[in-house]
Amino acid sequence: GENVEQHPSTLSVQEGDSAVIKCTYSDSASNYFPWYKQELGKGPQLIIDIRSNVGEKKDQRIAVTLNKTAKHFSLHITETQPEDSAVYFCAASKTGGGNKLTFGTGTQQKVEL
Amino acid sequence: DAEITQSPRHKITETGRQVTLACHQTWNHNNMFWYRQDLGHGLRLIHYSYGVQDTNKGEVSDGYSVSRSNTEDLPLTLESAASSQTSVYFCASSDQGSTDTQYFGPGTRLTVL
Repeated sequence: GENVEQHPSTLSVQEGDSAVIKCTYSDSASNYFPWYKQELGKGPQLIIDIRSNVGEKKDQRIAVTLNKTAKHFSLHITETQPEDSAVYFCAASKTGGGNKLTFGTGTQQKVEL
Repeated sequence: DAEITQSPRHKITETGRQVTLACHQTWNHNNMFWYRQDLGHGLRLIHYSYGVQDTNKGEVSDGYSVSRSNTEDLPLTLESAASSQTSVYFCASSDQGSTDTQYFGPGTRLTVL
């Protein structure tokens, strides 16, 4: 089955700096890669996703890049703000896989003032 | 507004007791999922359903069961609770596409003493 590895497990960034979280996947058939943000005491919430037919997608301060050859994808957050402090999860799934997501182990990001 | 709710939000039980966690969604989604979240493991799939009367085992299904009698609800039952089942449980739902967004509930924190 699919295996998703996520790094780093913890990340501390200064307010206003950029942050990058990286994930690798094992199943070359995976073609959908969402990123979820989980705030304390809440459920994960989708913040951005990318499908395998594109290499990059942006939404204001966040962006995701995908390298299908290397089987890795990354979340980029620019101009980090205190409200970006949360746990971030990457995930992967594939067409025909029944919408089942395989998650990475999460990154605890803390934005320092 | 459409939403997904879970109850109870917190539960303490004793080893050997049967416990049922409720999940209710008002999106009319066909797909529903149960995950458990543990430190160092991210989110792991317990059971999932693609529609009424359909249920399937995920990667960590031992000791858990689900039933789907209507579109809105997918209750998760721990037949005989064990301390290893102390965790935070999340329910999610998605439309019937194979790579559609999953929307998560707020979670249930279960402690088995």
